[in-house]
Amino acid sequence: ETGVTQSPTHLIKTRGQQVTLRCSSQSGHNTVSWYQQALGQGPQFIFQYYREEENGRGNFPPRFSGLQFPNYSSELNVNALELDDSALYLCASSLNRGGYEQYFGPGTRLTVT
Amino acid sequence: GESVGLHLPTLSVQEGDNSIINCAYSNSASDYFIWYKQESGKGPQFIIDIRSNMDKRQGQRVTVLLNKTVKHLSLQIAATQPGDSAVYFCAETLTGGSYIPTFGRGTSLIVHP
Repeated sequence: ETGVTQSPTHLIKTRGQQVTLRCSSQSGHNTVSWYQQALGQGPQFIFQYYREEENGRGNFPPRFSGLQFPNYSSELNVNALELDDSALYLCASSLNRGGYEQYFGPGTRLTVT
Repeated sequence: GESVGLHLPTLSVQEGDNSIINCAYSNSASDYFIWYKQESGKGPQFIIDIRSNMDKRQGQRVTVLLNKTVKHLSLQIAATQPGDSAVYFCAETLTGGSYIPTFGRGTSLIVHP
């Protein structure tokens, strides 16, 4: 059984650029959630995708968008990057939508300069 | 806005002691609570969850207590081991409808051998 994987591991971007982060869910999981974790803080929920549809969204601006594919893998896209977007971006998959047991990936460390 | 918070940012214990990590939540409508463990350089790991129709739930060496009257959650770790050293987060959410979890800031548990 393969766990949740994320790519890339680290990324450096310039303010104003766009970035795409990727996540492969654990085998058999149909739900993916994305979180932003600033240094020294708890994860902040961005959104959740269940069977390719958004199933909840946190307090993030529209420049944060996502996709889920038929194989349940997912992408997080961030446009017009700002310095405050620098953070660890975590992806978590679960067997079903909602708040059930989630399995997190190791995250992508994004630095915006 | 409403948020989940932790009373103690850092907790230091001796190996073999019992540890108690506390969490206050603000949303009285939340009905599902989860504790996560996050080791350095890794994504959060599910430890234990509890629903609002329960006040206690036990796992292997861990117990979660829920006091809805005062909106308080605690995680008890028995016979704490050096491998338990990590940051612990509580999270709250409403099941049903859109999924929008709220994580606390975290408590750093340091276990001294």
